[in-house]
Amino acid sequence: QSVLTQPPSVSAAPGQKVTISCSGSSSNIGDNYVSWYQQLPGTAPKLLIYENNKRPSGIPDRFSGSKSGTSATLGITGLQTGDEADYYCGTWDSSLSAAWVFGGGTKLAVL
Amino acid sequence: QVQLQESGPGLVKPSETLSLTCTVSGGSISSYHWSWIRQPPGKGLEWIGYIYYSGSTNYNPSLKGRVTISVDTSKNQFSLKLTSVTAADTAVYYCARQVGPSSRYHYMNVWGKGTTVTVSS
Repeated sequence: QSVLTQPPSVSAAPGQKVTISCSGSSSNIGDNYVSWYQQLPGTAPKLLIYENNKRPSGIPDRFSGSKSGTSATLGITGLQTGDEADYYCGTWDSSLSAAWVFGGGTKLAVL
Repeated sequence: QVQLQESGPGLVKPSETLSLTCTVSGGSISSYHWSWIRQPPGKGLEWIGYIYYSGSTNYNPSLKGRVTISVDTSKNQFSLKLTSVTAADTAVYYCARQVGPSSRYHYMNVWGKGTTVTVSS
């Protein structure tokens, strides 16, 4: 069981919008910044969002991030078939066993 | 730009030690944290631990006692050793650069392509 909870899968049609949630606790999301990663099939993860809502250079503004309390959300608008991938949230956990934690991942299907 | 490349044996016997190296090219290993992350077949990502270029480390509590991460700044490399491996340690192992002014800001902005390690006799 992952410390951060994500839905196993989401789906939407091309051109539509989808959101992926990431739920944690006061010791992780509630106290630290969240980042999001996209993993296309057979490839390494790639940074999509950092510090809750910032996009690295080269990431289109179709991707957005937000955080409220102990939950974070990744939003993707104008869905494309190329967005089909696994998406992971991650953050630092400041509990006694301080460590980096990932969500279990969400598979996005663009139908 | 900075690139990372994992290397090491693709097959390790049960109870033996898994050893991998990550070579950093296109930039210096100094001034950053460097992480190992793994992904078992069909499963999600698991953070193994990181090392700061100065040598300080932080490990996933679930693997503590079996993991050692070291750095060789002269070679621009950092390494992973995982002892007493079992089939559960079979995974794709990634190295990554972990950045941010402090732990609470951290994120991984550069990843290697990953290397598959199978634990089997």
